[in-house]
Amino acid sequence: DAKTTQPPSMDCAEGRAANLPCNHSTISGNEYVYWYRQIHSQGPQYIIHGLKNNETNEMASLIITEDRKSSTLILPHATLRDTAVYYCIAQYGNKLVFGAGTILRVKS
Amino acid sequence: GAGVSQTPSNKVTEKGKYVELRCDPISGHTALYWYRQSLGQGPEFLIYFQGTGAADDSGLPNDRFFAVRPEGSVSTLKIQRTERGDSAVYLCASSLGRNMNSPLHFGNGTRLTVT
Repeated sequence: DAKTTQPPSMDCAEGRAANLPCNHSTISGNEYVYWYRQIHSQGPQYIIHGLKNNETNEMASLIITEDRKSSTLILPHATLRDTAVYYCIAQYGNKLVFGAGTILRVKS
Repeated sequence: GAGVSQTPSNKVTEKGKYVELRCDPISGHTALYWYRQSLGQGPEFLIYFQGTGAADDSGLPNDRFFAVRPEGSVSTLKIQRTERGDSAVYLCASSLGRNMNSPLHFGNGTRLTVT
């Protein structure tokens, strides 16, 4: 299973785009990149996932580099409610393995 | 629609006691997962069911931990002779499919405190 590396914390101004980076240099061709977030006292919330192509949904966009060694989660207009721990996971097989994640603080 | 439901939301027990934690997955989800989360850390995988069978129990820390899913829906995580180190939030998740193109959907967990 590929290991992911994320910055421990980031700040973002309310209303601006939040760009959260993730390195997964050992990812294999069959491993999906997943992003989850967790707000205090709640379970992890699914955001988005992708394999090779960039993906967009109502919550966020996922940009995966052509060599698949890194990706960026983009929250286009961050709000205070987006303050959370964001987990980037590269996984193949039957389970997700979580790291420590990035604490995103959205500030007014 | 209804998400993953876990009961109880909080459980306090004494060291040495037996506890059961329940998970009701999303209807129609064949895969079910148990995770454990300690303060300040990411969730740690415990066990994965596909239908009624445990397909991967490699994350169970020792033989005091056991989980069942007898009818392929509701699952129960059982912990015998609880220890203070078992205190954590126990998370359950479910998904549609057999491969990793199906996102996991998590419940809000059961906070277990062993005194």
